[in-house]
Amino acid sequence: EIVLTQSPGTLSLSPGERATLSCRASQSVSSSYLAWYQQKPGQAPRLLIYGAFSRATGIPDRFSGSGSGTDFTLTISRLEAEDFAVYYCQQYGRSPPGLTFGGGTKVEIK
Amino acid sequence: QVQLVESGGGVVQPGGSLRLSCAASGFSFSSYGMHWVRQAPGKGLEWVAFIPYDGSNKYYADSVKGRFTISRDNSKKTLYLQWNSLRPEDTAVYYCAKGRIEVIDYWGQGTLVTVSS
Repeated sequence: EIVLTQSPGTLSLSPGERATLSCRASQSVSSSYLAWYQQKPGQAPRLLIYGAFSRATGIPDRFSGSGSGTDFTLTISRLEAEDFAVYYCQQYGRSPPGLTFGGGTKVEIK
Repeated sequence: QVQLVESGGGVVQPGGSLRLSCAASGFSFSSYGMHWVRQAPGKGLEWVAFIPYDGSNKYYADSVKGRFTISRDNSKKTLYLQWNSLRPEDTAVYYCAKGRIEVIDYWGQGTLVTVSS
């Protein structure tokens, strides 16, 4: 089973700054099967990025995904007030079939 | 717009049974796969199960395999999660979600299940 490790656990930044979130897999992951979600307190998660690079419907272009193999990155180019939240990466594995989530990175206001 | 509304959560005694429901609207329910994902209080996300559009196969996390059953009724546009022998570690918010097997594109607001005596 593939394990996803997200770092840092918490990122303290100011509005307007750039956020770089890391997701490292214990084994190689197909880029087609790597996604990122945003979750705000008391709310359900929201899909941001799928297929490692593709933005979901309605997601602003300040969010971008990159990476391959075992190292993936979510970048928020300029943080806005509504971006302070917890972010999860997720991968799909075929054997056994199912989803695995990383532990999350909290982006908080500095 | 896509709406997923979970129900059936509450306080249940250890060893009890429960069935959660998820009513779907705003999309062609019978054309899409569906997931259940749970989140223990203050913790991260844990995938629970997936069922494809036609219910032909069902996939479960190892942590719930043999105890949980995912099912769907396309005529009622409803997804279900049923399990017996509830344990305290099953305490969580349970999210119903729409998507392909490899990614979730919409989530419900969740229903809280508390297993406690």
